[in-house]
Amino acid sequence: GAVVSQHPSRVICKSGTSVKIECRSLDFQATTMFWYRQFPKKSLMLMATSNEGSKATYEQGVEKDKFLINHASLTLSTLTVTSAHPEDSSFYICSARTVGGPTEAFFGQGTRLTVV
Amino acid sequence: AQSVTQPDIHITVSEGASLELRCNYSYGATPYLFWYVQSPGQGLQLLLKYFSGDTLVQGIKGFEAEFKRSQSSFNLRKPSVHWSDAAEYFCAVGPTILTGGGNKLTFGTGTQLKVEL
Repeated sequence: GAVVSQHPSRVICKSGTSVKIECRSLDFQATTMFWYRQFPKKSLMLMATSNEGSKATYEQGVEKDKFLINHASLTLSTLTVTSAHPEDSSFYICSARTVGGPTEAFFGQGTRLTVV
Repeated sequence: AQSVTQPDIHITVSEGASLELRCNYSYGATPYLFWYVQSPGQGLQLLLKYFSGDTLVQGIKGFEAEFKRSQSSFNLRKPSVHWSDAAEYFCAVGPTILTGGGNKLTFGTGTQLKVEL
């Protein structure tokens, strides 16, 4: 099946710094990638939809200047958490949809971000 | 607006016992339905999906789910649970028409499955 790789799996950063998370589709082209945030013992909250070559669409309440999303190619999307604060600590998961495929999404393994 | 309800936050079953996880959805038409499983600290793995056709769908790891339109349900079942099935299970719904940006999934709040040996 389709494989989505997310890197890093864990990251610890200092408050005020920026962190970049990569999401790659390894064996397929993904026109659309999705970024989710998952709080402890909670469901996934969609943060933004990333379309290759265009600006991301952010969900209501998500700060686009804080969570920068870039989808420069059909196999790579990045999420940059800028000026991170402890409340940004969370589990971030990306997913990708195949070109012309149904709404089935393939998920990365997630990134545990801890801001100290 | 679409929504997904998983009424059971936690479920505990004995190894070898049968399992049913409930999922109800609210949607304007017949949606695409999914069940995902998440192990601690991991991403989501697709167990099975329903798009159309036979309302009983088979998935990986011995799981199956039945789409019941009249009840707006898509319950997940397994006849005999293994200890390795302990995880978080998410039901999700997605649109049937592929439109730009309109194909995002809506997830339920998840059901935590514990398996007693």
